[in-house]
Amino acid sequence: EAGVTQFPSHSVIEKGQTVTLRCDPISGHDNLYWYRRVMGKEIKFLLHFVKESKQDESGMPNNRFLAERTGGTYSTLKVQPAELEDSGVYFCASSQVLGSFYEQYFGPGTRLTVT
Amino acid sequence: GNSVTQMEGPVTLSEEAFLTINCTYTATGYPSLFWYVQYPGEGLQLLLKATKADDKGSNKGFEATYRKETTSFHLEKGSVQVSDSAVYFCALTHNNAGNMLTFGGGTRLMVKP
Repeated sequence: EAGVTQFPSHSVIEKGQTVTLRCDPISGHDNLYWYRRVMGKEIKFLLHFVKESKQDESGMPNNRFLAERTGGTYSTLKVQPAELEDSGVYFCASSQVLGSFYEQYFGPGTRLTVT
Repeated sequence: GNSVTQMEGPVTLSEEAFLTINCTYTATGYPSLFWYVQYPGEGLQLLLKATKADDKGSNKGFEATYRKETTSFHLEKGSVQVSDSAVYFCALTHNNAGNMLTFGGGTRLMVKP
């Protein structure tokens, strides 16, 4: 069974440009989460999808970030326009069932560098 | 709100040394507690977890005990190996928070042969 995959693994863009990150969760996992780690600090929650619906987007930093999950399968996170402070590692995770007993499976992350 | 504090690294040990990475948390109610590990070039993997007070999570020789009285979940291993070199993250989650994970800052462990 394939794990959570993320694309690209690394993206370098200039300030003001647009970048779209993609996450493919484990097949059958209804719950999909986005997190990011900025400048070696703690990993912070961005948002949570249940199937195609946004369950919680309280961690989204501002309206330059837009997340979608069309059809409840893969998800995209678009940053437009990118700013320097958006640099960091963006992680995606998925879980089959909602509940703290159930593990969230993480992808390898996308390292975003904004210059 | 919820928060997790863990010791800053890097922690450098010789092979077969004893490891402790401290983790304390602030949360209302009864969170579940986790240790995740990130090996170089890979994603985060769940190392161990504990879902109620006094539970001990264990895996691959690592252990951590959920201590509600001290709000701690320290990670320990009796004899580390070079292959344990990684970044370790302490985290918590609440059922009533959609299971979003709250992480500590991560501790890099380097084990030298």
